Amino acid sequence: NAGVTQTPKFQVLKTGQSMTLQCAQDMNHEYMSWYRQDPGMGLRLIHYSVGAGITDQGEVPNGYNVSRSTTEDFPLRLLSAAPSQTSVYFCASSRSGTGGVSNQPQHFGDGTRLSIL
Amino acid sequence: AQTVTQSQPEMSVQEAETVTLSCTYDTSESDYYLFWYKQPPSRQMILVIRQEAYKQQNATENRFSVNFQKAAKSFSLKISDSQLGDAAMYFCAYRSRTNAGKSTFGDGTTLTVKP
Repeated sequence: NAGVTQTPKFQVLKTGQSMTLQCAQDMNHEYMSWYRQDPGMGLRLIHYSVGAGITDQGEVPNGYNVSRSTTEDFPLRLLSAAPSQTSVYFCASSRSGTGGVSNQPQHFGDGTRLSIL
Repeated sequence: AQTVTQSQPEMSVQEAETVTLSCTYDTSESDYYLFWYKQPPSRQMILVIRQEAYKQQNATENRFSVNFQKAAKSFSLKISDSQLGDAAMYFCAYRSRTNAGKSTFGDGTTLTVKP
């Protein structure tokens, strides 16, 4: 049981390049989320998914796309990288509790440190 | 939209002493969940404790406990008998009752533990 796996751990991009951050979980969790963490700040929600085929925007979605074709995978795409997207990116998954409530904690990956020059 | 505020960017505590980290939040919802996460230098996000808003009893997990004041929208974390391994950044997080994919985090408090 690997939990939440993010790849790569580090990446350097040039402005304008595109790339995909990978996230996979093996816990059969229905919920998956992407956050970014800027220096000295908390996590801000980019996009999230409540199940395969269903995604929604979070607080800071601009410049990012997501899709969820399977329960296990939730990739994050940077369409045209900008220096403002330099950050640490976390993927998280969780399941709902009894009765569909959201009392179960999120399980986080180890993060991807992304630098855009 | 919900907001979470941690007013103490940095705190320090002597080993074996007790420290309290503050968190306030703003919401119009009546039912929700609150969490404290620990982030050590390894960058991992580790759940410390959680509180269900409909429960009046404060949650406890070993040396960690919360003071949940629903009317004041306050959710502080108390760490007793502080240990060197408690040094980390601590984040308070809010989640609505029915969306487990959408948490709102505070900006964190960096805790230093002095030997």
